[in-house]
Amino acid sequence: KAGVTQTPRYLIKTRGQQVTLSCSPISGHRSVSWYQQTPGQGLQFLFEYFSETQRNKGNFPGRFSGRQFSNSRSEMNVSTLELGDSALYLCASSFRLGGSGANVLTFGAGSRLTVL
Amino acid sequence: QQPVQSPQAVILREGEDAVINCSSSKALYSVHWYRQKHGEAPVFLMILLKGGEQKGHEKISASFNEKKQQSSLYLTASQLSYSGTYFCGTEMSSNYKLTFGKGTLLTVNP
Repeated sequence: KAGVTQTPRYLIKTRGQQVTLSCSPISGHRSVSWYQQTPGQGLQFLFEYFSETQRNKGNFPGRFSGRQFSNSRSEMNVSTLELGDSALYLCASSFRLGGSGANVLTFGAGSRLTVL
Repeated sequence: QQPVQSPQAVILREGEDAVINCSSSKALYSVHWYRQKHGEAPVFLMILLKGGEQKGHEKISASFNEKKQQSSLYLTASQLSYSGTYFCGTEMSSNYKLTFGKGTLLTVNP
């Protein structure tokens, strides 16, 4: 079974530009979550999508947005990039653990964004 | 509400034991543990649900104290392969929003 695929793996942008990151979840997983990882801050929750709808949102400015397509693939976009947006962006698809209702995440390898 | 992990870092010799703690100020529905090795994606270890305890790995186990809203991850007879950053993630309800702590860096030396 293929894992979670994120593209691109690495990218360099300059301040003010925008970027779009893509995530293909594990087949059959309908929930996709996005996280920002920076040194010392751990994994910061950005948003979560299910059936093309954003169900949960973290505390990030409106420059960060996302969407999900009918095939469960997801994209996130960051507009007007700032130096502080440099980070590893992780996507995770998830399924419900049988009977418990608990949510188990499988992460992709991430997209490392550097803003100059 | 981000859970608080302690310690921030721990160094062990192979064969030693370690405990990593995770606490929340809010009532929790579930606590998850993930391990991330350098340059890799976080990998799911185990989950603890309100009202129960689940053991995910042979020498790695965890507990969940619902009264204190605390979870502890126990690593016994550590191996070199245990090195990495351990994250606890918490759900306040069954709502698909998993919030992670800042992580605990575990280093196991020969």
